[in-house]
Amino acid sequence: DIQMTQSPSYLSASVGDRVTITCRATQRISTSLIWYQQKPGKAPKLLISGASTLHSGVPSRFRGSGSGTDFTLTISSLQPEDFATYYCQQSYTTPFTFGPGTKVDIK
Amino acid sequence: EVQLVESGGGLVQPGRSLRLSCAASGFTFGDYAMHWVRQAPGKGLEWVSGINWNSGAIVYADSVKGRFTISRDNAKNSLYLEMNSLRAEDTALYFCTRDLRGSSVRTGWFDPWGQGTLVTVSS
Repeated sequence: DIQMTQSPSYLSASVGDRVTITCRATQRISTSLIWYQQKPGKAPKLLISGASTLHSGVPSRFRGSGSGTDFTLTISSLQPEDFATYYCQQSYTTPFTFGPGTKVDIK
Repeated sequence: EVQLVESGGGLVQPGRSLRLSCAASGFTFGDYAMHWVRQAPGKGLEWVSGINWNSGAIVYADSVKGRFTISRDNAKNSLYLEMNSLRAEDTALYFCTRDLRGSSVRTGWFDPWGQGTLVTVSS
């Protein structure tokens, strides 16, 4: 199975900050990488597919990049509604696997 | 509006069975593959199982293979998960989700998600 790792597992940031989350796969997955946002008590929401394609309705401050094994989610200017946990997931092959998540908290 | 509503969760003893359901609305259910993803309390996301549009392709995580059975009824716009031989480690919030890209179970783009139904396995 493909294992996914994320770093950091937790970060504390202020509104307006630029935030970067990294995700790594244990084997090459091309650009078959999805990012989700999950707020407490809510279901995850798809943010980015194909490593870099913003899902409909997702603000342009979110940006995804990477290919192969290394990927990045960047939030250019953190907004109050962005405080959440972010998960990456490989869609390259079954079993689909998720990273352990990165919790973005308010400083 | 696309909507997925799970039901059937609850408290069950180890070794017993439970059947989860997911009612879909707002889209042509039979055009899409569907999946179950779970989340243990305070933990991350784990993909459980997926089924293609016509039930011709079904895949499972190793952790549930042989114990769980996914199925669907396109006429009723419903997805199911039959869970047998339940273990404490199956305790989780179970989400139903659609494969955004369409009918294949192998694309793995999950959107949208239901709100989940909680399964607690405990004696």
